[in-house]
Amino acid sequence: QKEVEQNSGPLSVPEGAIASLNCTYSDRVSQSFFWYRQYSGKSPELIMSIYSNGDKEDGRFTAQLNKASQYVSLLIRDSQPSDSATYLCAVTSYNTDKLIFGTGTRLQVFP
Amino acid sequence: DGGITQSPKYLFRKEGQNVTLSCEQNLNHDAMYWYRQDPGQGLRLIYYSQIVNDFQKGDIAEGYSVSREKKESFPLTVTSAQKNPTAFYLCASRDDGGHQPQHFGDGTRLSIL
Repeated sequence: QKEVEQNSGPLSVPEGAIASLNCTYSDRVSQSFFWYRQYSGKSPELIMSIYSNGDKEDGRFTAQLNKASQYVSLLIRDSQPSDSATYLCAVTSYNTDKLIFGTGTRLQVFP
Repeated sequence: DGGITQSPKYLFRKEGQNVTLSCEQNLNHDAMYWYRQDPGQGLRLIYYSQIVNDFQKGDIAEGYSVSREKKESFPLTVTSAQKNPTAFYLCASRDDGGHQPQHFGDGTRLSIL
């Protein structure tokens, strides 16, 4: 079983819709959860972090964490074509300094 | 501006050659990391360093070496022992603290001639 799993996609949504990206992880003691956006040929860029159960909102982005279900998600409201990218989920444990990355979900937002 | 600088942007390696990728940061971060990304894959950890003069192997350290002589610098050498070096190499750094994220440089794309 992979430590961090994401559906590779592509996830296609129309402009203005809500895009929902999901991630599951296997380490029950994981403490910190991050979403990175990676445009083709570029490096990952941090867009959201979440540490506690529940929702965290930042502009059009909402991260949701459910530690009991070992599940973290990213919602993008009012999706724009510029949101088209690969979204990487990353998870770390409190007692390590390492991030474990999923393979990413490719999002396509069409006009 | 504060940030992480990787150089060169593109690098070509000949058979039997060692090449060194540079990573410099002016964020005063203690921890630095090297990742490898292959097409359609996630990031895999090569080496990381939490403090000057100390570093640890990641998941795919074979064929690579690093040094951490200065806080700002964490160069990665891809040795001739790495038989499949073609990939996108990413350097990251992180501030101290339990929930701090990693931030990435722009990457170096390495290819075999």
